[in-house]
Amino acid sequence: KQEVTQIPAALSVPEGENLVLNCSFTDSAIYNLQWFRQDPGKGLTSLLLIQSSQREQTSGRLNASLDKSSGRSTLYIAASQPGDSATYLCAVLNSNSGYALNFGKGTSLLVTP
Amino acid sequence: GAGVSQSPSNKVTEKGKDVELRCDPISGHTALYWYRQSLGQGLEFLIYFQGNSAPDKSGLPSDRFSAERTGGSVSTLTIQRTQQEDSAVYLCASSLAGQLYEQYFGPGTRLTVT
Repeated sequence: KQEVTQIPAALSVPEGENLVLNCSFTDSAIYNLQWFRQDPGKGLTSLLLIQSSQREQTSGRLNASLDKSSGRSTLYIAASQPGDSATYLCAVLNSNSGYALNFGKGTSLLVTP
Repeated sequence: GAGVSQSPSNKVTEKGKDVELRCDPISGHTALYWYRQSLGQGLEFLIYFQGNSAPDKSGLPSDRFSAERTGGSVSTLTIQRTQQEDSAVYLCASSLAGQLYEQYFGPGTRLTVT
């Protein structure tokens, strides 16, 4: 059974800092990995999707990397802003199921002005 | 609207009552998914539809839970004889067919069973 772990569970940084969120998974047989953002009381917003054959994806100040063989992904946020405060979720799509995302429990990020 | 929509946004019901939750996927998305987000439990998969058929119902927690999809579009998740442990946020997602595509999530329905 795929287990997805996110470290740290919570993080507080001052505005302007660069930061890294970590995601690890136990089964490397995946189709892709997706990073989401969830604001309090809201649904999930997709940030980046990395296919299993890719090493990284970039969108604006966000960069996500994938090392499938070691079962790790990182989400790098450059020049953090208070508006980045949210919970960040990592999810993997297993090759043997092909549709059900397996989620980590998220990292709660607070960026202080 | 262009996104996934869900209704109601909030539902409070008494234990033992039945509830129906609705999901409108993004137009053209043939795949539809239901997930549940419980406090402290994280997000768990419930059911997947491809078109109107549900090839995998393995995530449904009990036979009180059922779902259907009609016309390859709208889906309804029904919970019969609700229990307090059913309290959670129920999230719907849709995608184009195939594993290469992103799943886009709706805002969720917050269900509270009293």
